[in-house]
Amino acid sequence: DAGVTQSPTHLIKTRGQQVTLRCSPKSGHDTVSWYQQALGQGPQFIFQYYEEEERQRGNFPDRFSGHQFPNYSSELNVNALLLGDSALYLCASSLATLAGYTGELFFGEGSRLTVL
Amino acid sequence: EDKVVQSPLSLVVHEGDTVTLNCSYEVTNFRSLLWYKQEKKAPTFLFMLTSSGIEKKSGRLSSILDKKELFSILNITATQTGDSAIYLCAVSIYGQNFVFGPGTRLSVLP
Repeated sequence: DAGVTQSPTHLIKTRGQQVTLRCSPKSGHDTVSWYQQALGQGPQFIFQYYEEEERQRGNFPDRFSGHQFPNYSSELNVNALLLGDSALYLCASSLATLAGYTGELFFGEGSRLTVL
Repeated sequence: EDKVVQSPLSLVVHEGDTVTLNCSYEVTNFRSLLWYKQEKKAPTFLFMLTSSGIEKKSGRLSSILDKKELFSILNITATQTGDSAIYLCAVSIYGQNFVFGPGTRLSVLP
């Protein structure tokens, strides 16, 4: 049973560039959440996708956008990169619940982005 | 604003010691509290707590939630070097996602 997979594992970009990160959820999961984890901090919620739509969003600017495909995989796009975007980007999958809250999160290994 | 606080932020112990990690929260519409262990990259799930006063145990690890006082503790007995990691506390809020604390970095020395 494949867990959550992310790509690429590491990447280096320069300020102003754009980046796309990819995530495949755990088998059977239909919900994908993205988190940003800066060095020495806990993960910060970016957004969540369910049924190919953004269902929830954290306090991140519009430069951060995403997409979910019919097979539940997801992409995170960041435009106009800033030095402060350097972080570990974690994808987490879960099962949607009828009660309207997110179930237990299963995390991928993350994509470490360095912006120079 | 929803907030999760963990203490201590960093802790160094020797093998065999017992440690207690703390997590307190101020959130609206609390649903559950989760503990994760992060060794290198991917946080791995430890416990989910939804009811006060019911201890959850897994080997040398145990955790309990106090919904009246809005905190949880994670205990690790007879620590081993393999317990060295960042321990994250996260609160699930109804209708929203998880709010994570900053984590406690635990170092277990041989």
